[in-house]
Amino acid sequence: AQTVTQSQPEMSVQEAETVTLSCTYDTSESDYYLFWYKQPPSRQMILVIRQEAYKQQNATENRFSVNFQKAAKSFSLKISDSQLGDAAMYFCAFTSNTGKLIFGQGTTLQVKP
Amino acid sequence: SAVISQKPSRDICQRGTSLTIQCQVDSQVTMMFWYRQQPGQSLTLIATANQGSEATYESGFVIDKFPISRPNLTFSTLTVSNMSPEDSSIYLCSITYGPDLTTIYFGEGSWLTVV
Repeated sequence: AQTVTQSQPEMSVQEAETVTLSCTYDTSESDYYLFWYKQPPSRQMILVIRQEAYKQQNATENRFSVNFQKAAKSFSLKISDSQLGDAAMYFCAFTSNTGKLIFGQGTTLQVKP
Repeated sequence: SAVISQKPSRDICQRGTSLTIQCQVDSQVTMMFWYRQQPGQSLTLIATANQGSEATYESGFVIDKFPISRPNLTFSTLTVSNMSPEDSSIYLCSITYGPDLTTIYFGEGSWLTVV
């Protein structure tokens, strides 16, 4: 069975600084996809970034980038130049191309002005 | 991309009653799913809503408690039956869009409080 683990319940970062959120996963699948979702207080799930396991290159989306270490089954999210609007719950998620997502426990990110 | 509308967005329900949540998509989609997010917790998949057939439920979820309908490729409902305070959660609809089952979108969620 696949599992996703986020070991940081809470993180904080100073505005304009960089923060890294950790995620590890376990699977025996060879074809899978990893995601980071942001959930602000509105509870809307917003896709931040996704990574295909077959791609060695780390995904980037503007200020958001990942460090994908396939052998270590690690998938961390780096947020650069943190903004107040980045404050939210962040979920790491996994799918083996079924459409079904397995989520980690979530990390609450606080951004301090 | 697809636009997903969920109704109701929020409701307060009496213990023992049932409530039906609707998920409407503005285009035909391959797969539709329902998730539950209990207070302070992560999201857990309840079931896959299959068009024209019974939903496929994940371990720990049963049809009698969470009946699901999917009459066509753009619409699904989730009913939370005989509610108790433990059912107070956010219920989210998600879809896969296009041939790629990894293009996944979520509705805005339905926040239910059972009193």
